[in-house]
Amino acid sequence: EIVLTQSPGTLSLSPGDRATLSCRASESISSSYLSWHQQKPGQAPRLLIHSASIGATGIPDRFSGSGSGTDFTLTINRLEPEDFAVYYCQQYGSSRITFGQGTRLEI
Amino acid sequence: QVQLVESGGGVVQPGRSLRLSCAASGFTFNNYGMHWVRQAPGKGLEWVAHIWYDGSNENYKESLKGRFTVSRDNSKNTLFLLMNGLTAEDTAIYYCARGSGYEFDYWGQGTLVTVSS
Repeated sequence: EIVLTQSPGTLSLSPGDRATLSCRASESISSSYLSWHQQKPGQAPRLLIHSASIGATGIPDRFSGSGSGTDFTLTINRLEPEDFAVYYCQQYGSSRITFGQGTRLEI
Repeated sequence: QVQLVESGGGVVQPGRSLRLSCAASGFTFNNYGMHWVRQAPGKGLEWVAHIWYDGSNENYKESLKGRFTVSRDNSKNTLFLLMNGLTAEDTAIYYCARGSGYEFDYWGQGTLVTVSS
């Protein structure tokens, strides 16, 4: 099973800042297999980025993803108040799907 | 618009079984694989199971194999999860999610399962 490790666990920033969230895989994965999801309190998760760098439908362009191999990054430019949430990376390899433990982005 | 609505959650005693449902609408259900993902209280997301678009194949989290069974009724646009031998560790919100490529592009709002005597 591929383990995804996210860092930092908690990130404290202010509106207008840039957030950089990391996701490291225990072994190399195809970029096609790496996604990012956002979850706000009391809500279901929402797909933000798939294939490491492609924004999902309706996602603002201040969200961007990058990376390859074992290291992937979610960047959020010009943080808006509604961006403060928990972010999960997710991989889909060999029909066994795993999530990172999440990064909490707080004001 | 795509909608996924889970139901069937509740309080169940340890050792008992429970079947969850997920009613899908707003898309051609039998064109998509479907997943179940759970989230224990205050914890992260954990993938549970996947079923192919036509129900011909299933995949499970290794530790749940043999206890959980995913199925679907394409004539009723509904996904199911049968959970047997429930323990307190199965207490969680259970989400259904649509599979698109290698990601989940739509999620339901979830149904809470509490295993307690």
